[in-house]
Amino acid sequence: GAGVSQSPRYKVAKRGQDVALRCDPISGHVSLFWYQQALGQGPEFLTYFQNEAQLDKSGLPSDRFFAERPEGSVSTLKIQRTQQEDSAVYLCASSWEGLAESYNEQFFGPGTRLTVL
Amino acid sequence: KQEVTQIPAALSVPEGENLVLNCSFTDSAIYNLQWFRQDPGKGLTSLLLIQSSQREQTSGRLNASLDKSSGRSTLYIAASQPGDSATYLCAVRPVRNFNKFYFGSGTKLNVKP
Repeated sequence: GAGVSQSPRYKVAKRGQDVALRCDPISGHVSLFWYQQALGQGPEFLTYFQNEAQLDKSGLPSDRFFAERPEGSVSTLKIQRTQQEDSAVYLCASSWEGLAESYNEQFFGPGTRLTVL
Repeated sequence: KQEVTQIPAALSVPEGENLVLNCSFTDSAIYNLQWFRQDPGKGLTSLLLIQSSQREQTSGRLNASLDKSSGRSTLYIAASQPGDSATYLCAVRPVRNFNKFYFGSGTKLNVKP
């Protein structure tokens, strides 16, 4: 595709429900990042994949958060037993990652706005 | 831990003014720094990427500079237009946690016609 896409764009969940957020990175991009953005704040790193390998998940706020990228392309961020504090915009980004310095530029999707009632 | 600060948090200027947005970071060991704009309800659009070996990058009316030793970057916008109204974010990629980008909270810019 032309850019990073995310679905759904908006998700309303009742507290305690499980949700799954999808990210389609730019085709061929090796690296994929998930971020959480609270209102009025900058994005906070959640996790990073290099192809199918999750190399850093230090930003995941609790064990209710789980991310996967089984075939090295599409990624899913799953949140179990959602809480009100999980309400935020979840952003996905991808980058090529290569020898040329410009390949490290991150490209972001439009985000999924999650509201937990 | 890397801390990224953006000042001012909000800025309102009349159309046509030149302006400077500031970004400071606490750990100078960075791989690169990237400037983004974010429109309300949208994702981030990359504006400029500066590698640690570079001093500045230019794209159209935008110029970003990097002074790694002092932990500062500035984004200069020339001849501002109402369409420039958005939130501007900077992000640093540290050398030590190479895959963990750190963002500032952004500067919300309003350019008045």
